[in-house]
This record gives sequence, structure tokens and C-alpha cells, in this order.
Amino acid sequence: NAGVTQTPKFQVLKTGQSMTLQCAQDMNHEYMSWYRQDPGMGLRLIHYSVGAGITDQGEVPNGYNVSRSTTEDFPLRLLSAAPSQTSVYFCASSYIRTGGGSPLHFGNGTRLTVT
Amino acid sequence: GNSVTQMEGPVTLSEEAFLTINCTYTATGYPSLFWYVQYPGEGLQLLLKATKADDKGSNKGFEATYRKETTSFHLEKGSVQVSDSAVYFCALSDVGDMRFGAGTRLTVKP
Repeated sequence: NAGVTQTPKFQVLKTGQSMTLQCAQDMNHEYMSWYRQDPGMGLRLIHYSVGAGITDQGEVPNGYNVSRSTTEDFPLRLLSAAPSQTSVYFCASSYIRTGGGSPLHFGNGTRLTVT
Repeated sequence: GNSVTQMEGPVTLSEEAFLTINCTYTATGYPSLFWYVQYPGEGLQLLLKATKADDKGSNKGFEATYRKETTSFHLEKGSVQVSDSAVYFCALSDVGDMRFGAGTRLTVKP
């Protein structure tokens, strides 16, 4: 039972480069989301999706794009990397959007450094 | 908007000590409350949850009670172990997305 799988685990980018962080879940969850984790700031929501073909912005969406073509996959694209995007990125999924006590299931994260 | 405030760390305890990590919340509705734990190099894992006032969540010796009158959800454990060393996050969800506190790093020394 893989759960939520994120790749890569580590990545170093130069300013201005683009890349895609991959996220896949095998639990048939409708809700998927991307968070970034920065010291002293907890987790902040970047983008989320409540089902295939539906995405929306979270708290800190600037500089990131997402798409949801299948229930299983939810990639996060950095369009033009900036040093401010150095962070640890977590993908998380849930059976439904999290109201009503549905917990999130997290991947193991991608540590991104932008130089 | 909804938000979570948890005590700043880091917290360092000796093995078998009593643990309390404070968490208070602000919400317009009737949120569900969660504690997640993050071990080094891993993602967050659900530790416990409570979905309505006066509910007590418990798991692995940890407990937290949903107190609506004080808008709190403090995490407690009677006797911590070295293996409890991790970062603990308080979180809430209402009709929307989950909001997290800043996290509290716990180190337990033998």
C-alpha cells in the first residue's frame, strides 16, 4: 500500500529554471493538495483539487501551477524558480475536502533548493 | 479566517516526563481538530483527532480534548519516550481546507 508518493526527494534548481514535482496517490482520494513547509511558519496551502479537472488556489499560489487530469496524479509546476521558493513541499490527499474530520495523508516531501 | 496558534518550541524533556503542548484556535464555524506528528525526513502523520466539543482524541498514549469554551486542543502525554522526539503540529479544518500551526519540536533525552 503505497499511499501518497512524491518524486523527487531532493532537487536543486538555478533561478529561472522550471520543474515539476510529481505526486501520486493510490487510495482513490478525491481531494489532493500541495503545501510548503518553512521554518516557524508551519504548512501553507499552495493549491488544491477536489476532483479530476478541478483545481483552486490556496494561501500562497503565486509562482506555481497545478493540473488534475486523473484522480491519482496532482503535479506541481514551478514556472520560473526563485530563491524564495526554497522550501520543503508536501503533497497530501484526503477522501473528501477536509471538513468534517477527514484527515490528510501526506507524502514524504520534496526538499527544493533554488540558488 | 480560521487559524491555529501553538506553543513555540523547542521543548526538551527527560524520558518519562509529562508533556503538554498548548494549542488554541480561531474559527468561525465548528471545526474538527487534529494533531499530526512529523518524524525526521518524513511527511506528517495523523496522531489523533476530535470532531466536536468535549471529544477526547487519543493514540499511542497521547491525548487531547476539544475545549470549545477555551478554544483549545492541548496535547498531553503522561510519560514521554525517546522515540517521541519529533515535530508536532496542531491543525483544524472547517468547511474548507486544513490550517496548521507552526509546529513544536520535541526532543526527549534518555
